[in-house]
Amino acid sequence: TQLLEQSPQFLSIQEGENLTVYCNSSSVFSSLQWYRQEPGEGPVLLVTVVTGGEVKKLKRLTFQFGDARKDSSLHITAAQPGDTGLYLCAGVIMTTDSWGKFQFGAGTQVVVTP
Amino acid sequence: DAGVIQSPRHEVTEMGQEVTLRCKPISGHDYLFWYRQTMMRGLELLIYFNNNVPIDDSGMPEDRFSAKMPNASFSTLKIQPSEPRDSAVYFCASSPPPPTIAGSPDTQYFGPGTRLTVL
Repeated sequence: TQLLEQSPQFLSIQEGENLTVYCNSSSVFSSLQWYRQEPGEGPVLLVTVVTGGEVKKLKRLTFQFGDARKDSSLHITAAQPGDTGLYLCAGVIMTTDSWGKFQFGAGTQVVVTP
Repeated sequence: DAGVIQSPRHEVTEMGQEVTLRCKPISGHDYLFWYRQTMMRGLELLIYFNNNVPIDDSGMPEDRFSAKMPNASFSTLKIQPSEPRDSAVYFCASSPPPPTIAGSPDTQYFGPGTRLTVL
């Protein structure tokens, strides 16, 4: 069962344009992470958001966690070819153990052309 | 730091053969995860260990899959017998203990993956 739905599945834009990727769920997550994966490599963590309504910025990337902690967005301003990659959101549903149930979304493939 | 090490990087085998994937986590990390990634199903968590003990194996597809962690620096994922539908990229990841804030996982550090093709 896919708890996290990402949209769009694929996004192709020109260098300098802005883009937004969405991650939605019917479940409440205690925290949510965004990863980026490049071809032939494993995912690399970009950010972790914990508090509902939280906004974090990482240079040209802005991450937002929904007030109800059921959704998140990643916004890239003035995209560059180096932003090309598979963007994955991953959420944690707390269980009785200290770690919780952890699941990745299917990912959004972003292609930025010069 | 060498990061998470996985071997082999590529594996091609025939249906019915046994396949063993290997992982060396980052030293000092208490958690180890095995994932499978395909175009159709995305990145799926198969199993994870805490201090060498399997905590959640609900993602393991079926009895053909087994994972072990005999010590803090080594884990294996075995498929016996392998089938063509097992073809995927298998990732190992490790993580230090979660921070004190409840529900906030620490960073997972992924290895480069093993691309498995079962003919």
